[in-house]
Amino acid sequence: DSGVTQTPKHLITATGQRVTLRCSPRSGDLSVYWYQQSLDQGLQFLIQYYNGEERAKGNILERFSAQQFPDLHSELNLSSLELGDSALYFCASSVGTGDNEQFFGPGTRLTVL
Amino acid sequence: AQSVTQPDIHITVSEGASLELRCNYSYGATPYLFWYVQSPGQGLQLLLKYFSGDTLVQGIKGFEAEFKRSQSSFNLRKPSVHWSDAAEYFCAAVNNDMRFGAGTRLTVKP
Repeated sequence: DSGVTQTPKHLITATGQRVTLRCSPRSGDLSVYWYQQSLDQGLQFLIQYYNGEERAKGNILERFSAQQFPDLHSELNLSSLELGDSALYFCASSVGTGDNEQFFGPGTRLTVL
Repeated sequence: AQSVTQPDIHITVSEGASLELRCNYSYGATPYLFWYVQSPGQGLQLLLKYFSGDTLVQGIKGFEAEFKRSQSSFNLRKPSVHWSDAAEYFCAAVNNDMRFGAGTRLTVKP
């Protein structure tokens, strides 16, 4: 158990819909990272927040957005969903930023029908 | 462009045999390097990491990795594989953001 929690574990929705994935980092960690894992794209970094502020951006689509709240939990919002958005979405957290070790949550499996 | 390459998509070894998983990175400067393992349906667990210093790094579960600057490599090794090591292994590098290799799926034969 990494100490990072993600909800929900599974999510099934339809194309065009909007969903929110939630992540609670390990106690004391200030950074939260979001990743997407799919069969064709592999594991891709989406975005990082550090202490409430966006810190780094990866291959995140404009239809996706995220935020980190004052209690340091984070939400990833996916809108206008397409079939290709079906994937495992991981959240990770670390104490600081950059070279710090990241601890991964169990992931949310999103299925878009 | 910065990238991490794992040349082997799938490797099969017999239980008790030795294992080496390859990882190469392409960065201007040496990044921080990691190996993660992912069991089916699970998140990623850190096996070991290299920041600087001794180029042979010991990790959990009997794994080790050797950093070779001249070859831009960070290969993962284990002297004797156990059936429970069957999983997907990811090499990753951090410069500004973390980039993962495509992963190597390890199958262990009895």
